[in-house]
Amino acid sequence: AQKVTQAQTEISVVEKEDVTLDCVYETRDTTYYLFWYKQPPSGELVFLIRRNSFDEQNEISGRYSWNFQKSTSSFNFTITASQVVDSAVYFCALSENSNYQLIWGAGTKLIIKP
Amino acid sequence: KAGVTQTPRYLIKTRGQQVTLSCSPISGHRSVSWYQQTPGQGLQFLFEYFSETQRNKGNFPGRFSGRQFSNSRSEMNVSTLELGDSALYLCASSLDPGSRDGYTFGSGTRLTVV
Repeated sequence: AQKVTQAQTEISVVEKEDVTLDCVYETRDTTYYLFWYKQPPSGELVFLIRRNSFDEQNEISGRYSWNFQKSTSSFNFTITASQVVDSAVYFCALSENSNYQLIWGAGTKLIIKP
Repeated sequence: KAGVTQTPRYLIKTRGQQVTLSCSPISGHRSVSWYQQTPGQGLQFLFEYFSETQRNKGNFPGRFSGRQFSNSRSEMNVSTLELGDSALYLCASSLDPGSRDGYTFGSGTRLTVV
């Protein structure tokens, strides 16, 4: 069965530190999609990245980077030089090719202290 | 362009009542999905509509229903409300179910059942 695990419930770091959020997934499909979303206190889920199962290239966008490793079924997210505005809950999600719904991890609450 | 609009933002209802939530997708998007978010269960898929047809349904009781109109706007209805239905209800839109461009979410409707 499909499943997404975000083992870190809450992470607290001081501003300017680097932080990595872990995501491990389970699926039987060979074609699937992985997502990261950010949820600030306002509640809206903000799309950060989508990656399909055939593209294992790492992605960098400004201070954000993602490491996708099929061998370990992981899709980790790193924020470099964190800022207070990065404080939010971050969700990892999986969508299988056979089923379009998003399967969500429990989320990681990230607290960046000034 | 306008984002996904959900109305109302907040709602307080009494047990046993029914409620209707509305979602207007991004112009041109034809797929609308609904998710329930609670502290205990996290984010869970409710249903997905495309071209006025329900394509997929999550594991929720029949009290939860929805529909989509010809202009792609969607409504979800919850009848005979229970305390456990208190949650943030999020709507997401995409071009179509298979686009995987990254679902765009609205700010949600926070429903409180008393």
